[in-house]
Amino acid sequence: AQSVTQLGSHVSVSEGALVLLRCNYSSSVPPYLFWYVQYPNQGLQLLLKYTTGATLVKGINGFEAEFKKSETSFHLTKPSAHMSDAAEYFCAVKTSYDKVIFGPGTSLSVIP
Amino acid sequence: GAVVSQHPSWVICKSGTSVKIECRSLDFQATTMFWYRQFPKQSLMLMATSNEGSKATYEQGVEKDKFLINHASLTLSTLTVTSAHPEDSSFYICSASLGTGHGYTFGSGTRLTVV
Repeated sequence: AQSVTQLGSHVSVSEGALVLLRCNYSSSVPPYLFWYVQYPNQGLQLLLKYTTGATLVKGINGFEAEFKKSETSFHLTKPSAHMSDAAEYFCAVKTSYDKVIFGPGTSLSVIP
Repeated sequence: GAVVSQHPSWVICKSGTSVKIECRSLDFQATTMFWYRQFPKQSLMLMATSNEGSKATYEQGVEKDKFLINHASLTLSTLTVTSAHPEDSSFYICSASLGTGHGYTFGSGTRLTVV
């Protein structure tokens, strides 16, 4: 069965600092992996996804993630945090039944 | 492109009444849609998967008689919370599959408060 874990339910960074949000997955099949962002009382917006091919995936708003099969990881990074990046971030994996399972989420705070 | 419009964005209802939430795919045909529930400061929990023209598949522990899902067309799926109770208060989000390798798109969510 597929599952997703996100280390750190809350991450705080200073404005301009590196953002690193961790995601590890388990999957019995080649995974499709996603990162979504959610602002309060809103739906989810796709930041980026990995399906096949290049393991370094670039997304919107300067975010990128690297798929590392050996580490079963798909960590999300951004070189320089902006205040507008403060939100909830969810890592997700597509299951073999075409469903998406979400990790528990990481709340990102950006300190001015 | 690939927008899912979800309505209403928020609703307050009295205990015992039913509430319908709609999700429409605006510029594509959504063969498969998913309904999620999200409690405050928690992740999204999949409730059910609906395929156009067939019965929804519910996740374990989800009451199918309480959460009625209809996917009668390729552009519309509805979730009806029947005989709502305060414990049904939550944030409900729909999602549509964009096809193999193309990911998913999400509605903006519905905040349901049962009083």
